[in-house]
Amino acid sequence: DVKVTQSSRYLVKRTGEKVFLECVQDMDHENMFWYRQDPGLGLRLIYFSYDVKMKEKGDIPEGYSVSREKKERFSLILESASTNQTSMYLCASTPGGETYNEQFFGPGTRLTVL
Amino acid sequence: AQSVSQHNHHVILSEAASLELGCNYSYGGTVNLFWYVQYPGQHLQLLLKYFSGDPLVKGIKGFEAEFIKSKFSFNLRKPSVQWSDTAEYFCAVIKKRTDKLIFGTGTRLQVFP
Repeated sequence: DVKVTQSSRYLVKRTGEKVFLECVQDMDHENMFWYRQDPGLGLRLIYFSYDVKMKEKGDIPEGYSVSREKKERFSLILESASTNQTSMYLCASTPGGETYNEQFFGPGTRLTVL
Repeated sequence: AQSVSQHNHHVILSEAASLELGCNYSYGGTVNLFWYVQYPGQHLQLLLKYFSGDPLVKGIKGFEAEFIKSKFSFNLRKPSVQWSDTAEYFCAVIKKRTDKLIFGTGTRLQVFP
């Protein structure tokens, strides 16, 4: 069964802290994605990765960075958390190749920055 | 700018009512289209998708969607909703030869018994 897991369901951090959100998929997928989900705004793409050590900026990369050292793991990093980064963060993965198929989502991490 | 519009932000229905949620996109060319659903406290999951062929696609739980190319639309329908359909629904579009899935802002559906 397809599975995408995220390290925490709920996280509370203080302004200025460095925050790591971890995502692991067990489907040997090439592509992995980080989104944030906010009411009334839907899902917005932060970063994505086609392969190990490769990354591409999404629509709202400011204030975030990512790391993909292993194929199954994609980390989102908030270098210095701010209150406007309080949000639900969703990780997703999909097989590579030209034919695009559905994305498989993790359960989400609800991050609160105080 | 590329966009996906869901005009209904919040829909409230009684059980057995019919449902239609609108989705319009602004891209030209070939696209793949999706509807995702997020039940309370659960993962986003795929409801249905359109890649090519018959523009009327059927998904899980009795949902269907019709792709109308001339109208750039991919509306979601269900003839008779149930309380368990209470969820948030997202339309999403990907343009061929890109890898970025663009989501609409979502429609929150509440179904009352």
